Amino acid sequence: DTGVSQDPRHKITKRGQNVTFRCDPISEHNRLYWYRQTLGQGPEFLTYFQNEAQLEKSRLLSDRFSAERPKGSFSTLEIQRTEQGDSAMYLCASRTLAGGKGQFFGPGTRLTVL
Amino acid sequence: DAKTTQPTSMDCAEGRAANLPCNHSTISGNEYVYWYRQIHSQGPQYIIHGLKNNETNEMASLIITEDRKSSTLILPHATLRDTAVYYCIVLNTGNQFYFGTGTSLTVIP
Repeated sequence: DTGVSQDPRHKITKRGQNVTFRCDPISEHNRLYWYRQTLGQGPEFLTYFQNEAQLEKSRLLSDRFSAERPKGSFSTLEIQRTEQGDSAMYLCASRTLAGGKGQFFGPGTRLTVL
Repeated sequence: DAKTTQPTSMDCAEGRAANLPCNHSTISGNEYVYWYRQIHSQGPQYIIHGLKNNETNEMASLIITEDRKSSTLILPHATLRDTAVYYCIVLNTGNQFYFGTGTSLTVIP
């Protein structure tokens, strides 16, 4: 399977704990995006990378959130000191610079903060 | 960023065409219209996109009005597996996707 993969698919944690999610994009895709989706809402943009450079961050990405893409391949999204309001689906997407068919999304990581 | 307006929900009989409308009255001349769908608990799936001309692929057809202020996604023969939330998105020059709440399409047997 050469699609976008995310790990883990589900994460349950207690408030105050740190969590880290991983995204492996389609191999030739230069751009990688992170979104957050809460129940009944569409995905909301968080940040995106072009190769290893983080080019834009949404104001939704508070100081407790950090994303990296150290070698321009996989990416990690870390949430420190989780809060119940962080409970959501975290989606990763990737695309080529040329765009074309837009972004290809992974299956997401569902985070539940107790 | 151009915003889109879609009906909250729609029903369609199985085997019939599903026509999903979208208004994007503030779209700029170089902004594309994309359609994605999301089946429960899965990531969004690309359907089709266009700029000015109507487009067709194996999944759907996209009809864009001449003034580009609205578009319609057409699923020619809806099946039960087409039940999903459909998002109409205008891709801005910053290449960010801004999803709204989409249209929840239910295909009825």
